[in-house]
Amino acid sequence: DGGITQSPKYLFRKEGQNVTLSCEQNLNHDAMYWYRQDPGQGLRLIYYSQIVNDFQKGDIAEGYSVSREKKESFPLTVTSAQKNPTAFYLCASSILAGSGDTQYFGPGTRLTVL
Amino acid sequence: AQKITQTQPGMFVQEKEAVTLDCTYDTSDPSYGLFWYKQPSSGEMIFLIYQGSYDQQNATEGRYSLNFQKARKSANLVISASQLGDSAMYFCAMREGGSYIPTFGRGTSLIVHP
Repeated sequence: DGGITQSPKYLFRKEGQNVTLSCEQNLNHDAMYWYRQDPGQGLRLIYYSQIVNDFQKGDIAEGYSVSREKKESFPLTVTSAQKNPTAFYLCASSILAGSGDTQYFGPGTRLTVL
Repeated sequence: AQKITQTQPGMFVQEKEAVTLDCTYDTSDPSYGLFWYKQPSSGEMIFLIYQGSYDQQNATEGRYSLNFQKARKSANLVISASQLGDSAMYFCAMREGGSYIPTFGRGTSLIVHP
């Protein structure tokens, strides 16, 4: 079955630690995205990537980093510089860029800072 | 300025009745796409329905239909014959032509009563 997987589902981090959230897709999509969602809020874009080895900052990139070494994978690192990282993180992918290209989402990772 | 506005923070509906969730958008781009997603308590964003700006007919997908009124810039989601499993957050999103990044509304919480 084609889809997007994210791991882990729940992640706990101590202050000052970096953590990496995994996102893998087997949909053969070119574009991948990371979003942050806080309680009662919509989605805010952290980073996105249109092709391998290229990515762009979204609206709230500070304190986060990404890599795109393979088409299938787009891991997100939450660094110690992110002041308030407790949130729900969603990864998405789409074919590419047309206005009709639907984003498909993974199940999400819930990050809690202890 | 908000590109996507969902004015109903919460909606209640009786099981088996129809419900309309409002979404208005703002764009000057003649080419755009409109999307609705469902987010149950598990957190995953589930794609429901898509409407292109040039589509002549309103989109339908099973019990979901999109009431697209281009002149009024509204794209309301209609759920017919509500089921208990429809209880979730619903997000409206727009992707403008040539943009890789959709804009999401803040969502509407729908609760279906037995």
